[in-house]
Amino acid sequence: DAGVIQSPRHEVTEMGQEVTLRCKPISGHDYLFWYRQTMMRGLELLIYFNNNVPIDDSGMPEDRFSAKMPNASFSTLKIQPSEPRDSAVYFCASSPRTGNTGELFFGEGSRLTVL
Amino acid sequence: SQKIEQNSEALNIQEGKTATLTCNYTNYSPAYLQWYRQDPGRGPVFLLLIRENEKEKRKERLKVTFDTTLKQSLFHITASQPADSATYLCAPSGSASKIIFGSGTRLSIRP
Repeated sequence: DAGVIQSPRHEVTEMGQEVTLRCKPISGHDYLFWYRQTMMRGLELLIYFNNNVPIDDSGMPEDRFSAKMPNASFSTLKIQPSEPRDSAVYFCASSPRTGNTGELFFGEGSRLTVL
Repeated sequence: SQKIEQNSEALNIQEGKTATLTCNYTNYSPAYLQWYRQDPGRGPVFLLLIRENEKEKRKERLKVTFDTTLKQSLFHITASQPADSATYLCAPSGSASKIIFGSGTRLSIRP
């Protein structure tokens, strides 16, 4: 398997624009997570899904952020409108349903810069 | 609220010595704890998982301890090498699904 695939790897946009980040999890993994990483706040959990259903979105900063998982092989994280404080690296991770190990497999991240 | 603390300062270790990283948590009782390694510009990579009923776990040069009384995990790298230089993240987890990370400790091994 190719691992978790994220796109784009880098995105530079202007304040007010819509940003869509994409993730393809590892086939057969039932859980999908979106994290955001900054120097100040570290790695923050935004939302996670189980079997395509959002389970906990308490980490989503505000209504400008939304995440969807229309099927088992694709998820999006959308920011509309984007602001400079949204600049960060966004990671997607997936996890298999194997007991309670909870091991996460991360993608390489999408580095977002909002000017 | 749940809080996870790792050494905020970078750790500089001479090659060949043992590196010890600390992870402390408060306000919850995790059923297990994971450690990850993150290299610059890359996503975190899973290293080890230890459960609450396990005191110690080893994998090659890595050793993890889990003290539920002290609410602390120690992560040791023996015979450290420059290739071990990275940021190490801990993730104590009370639920099988929700996994929250500490801020990480940057480890630097000098030759």
